[in-house]
Amino acid sequence: DTGVSQDPRHKITKRGQNVTFRCDPISEHNRLYWYRQTLGQGPEFLTYFQNEAQLEKSRLLSDRFSAERPKGSFSTLEIQRTEQGDSAMYLCASSPAHLTGTGPHYEQYFGPGTRLTVT
Amino acid sequence: AQSVTQLDSHVSVSEGTPVLLRCNYSSSYSPSLFWYVQHPNKGLQLLLKYTSAATLVKGINGFEAEFKKSETSFHLTKPSAHMSDAAEYFCVVSDAGGYQKVTFGIGTKLQVIP
Repeated sequence: DTGVSQDPRHKITKRGQNVTFRCDPISEHNRLYWYRQTLGQGPEFLTYFQNEAQLEKSRLLSDRFSAERPKGSFSTLEIQRTEQGDSAMYLCASSPAHLTGTGPHYEQYFGPGTRLTVT
Repeated sequence: AQSVTQLDSHVSVSEGTPVLLRCNYSSSYSPSLFWYVQHPNKGLQLLLKYTSAATLVKGINGFEAEFKKSETSFHLTKPSAHMSDAAEYFCVVSDAGGYQKVTFGIGTKLQVIP
């Protein structure tokens, strides 16, 4: 399967603990996105990478959250000192990118998500 | 700035009857628009996309959507619902711009009654 993969699929942690999630995008995609989805809501944008550069971060991404994509391939999302409000589905997506200009947009391909429960 | 409004949080149809899921958008630029479907415990799957080519877009599983700039709408339709269509559907807008930031609607849950 050459789709986007995420690990783990489920994570239960106690409040105050740190957690790290991994995303492996489609290999030829140089853009990678993280989203958070809570019950009854659509996914909300968290952050975005083009290759290894983190180019945009949402205000939703507090200083307890950090994301990396060190070699421009897989990415990790870490949450420090988790809170119950962090409980959500964390989605990763990838897409190709245009070299220049604003052309038509490629769709994003989503992974299955990591469901985080903070107790 | 961009936004998406999905006008119905729940839609219920009988199997074999038409499906209409409504979406209105707001965008400062010429947008790209997408519909994604999310089945329970599965990832988001692209149904179809509009990227300034034909205004009537055909997608997978018999779905289609029409981009109407004058109405700022991108409603999703299907002539005949199937039980397997029961899922949550998200309308998504992406402004022209550097990094393809997308904004999701809150979703419409489609129930198909046998």
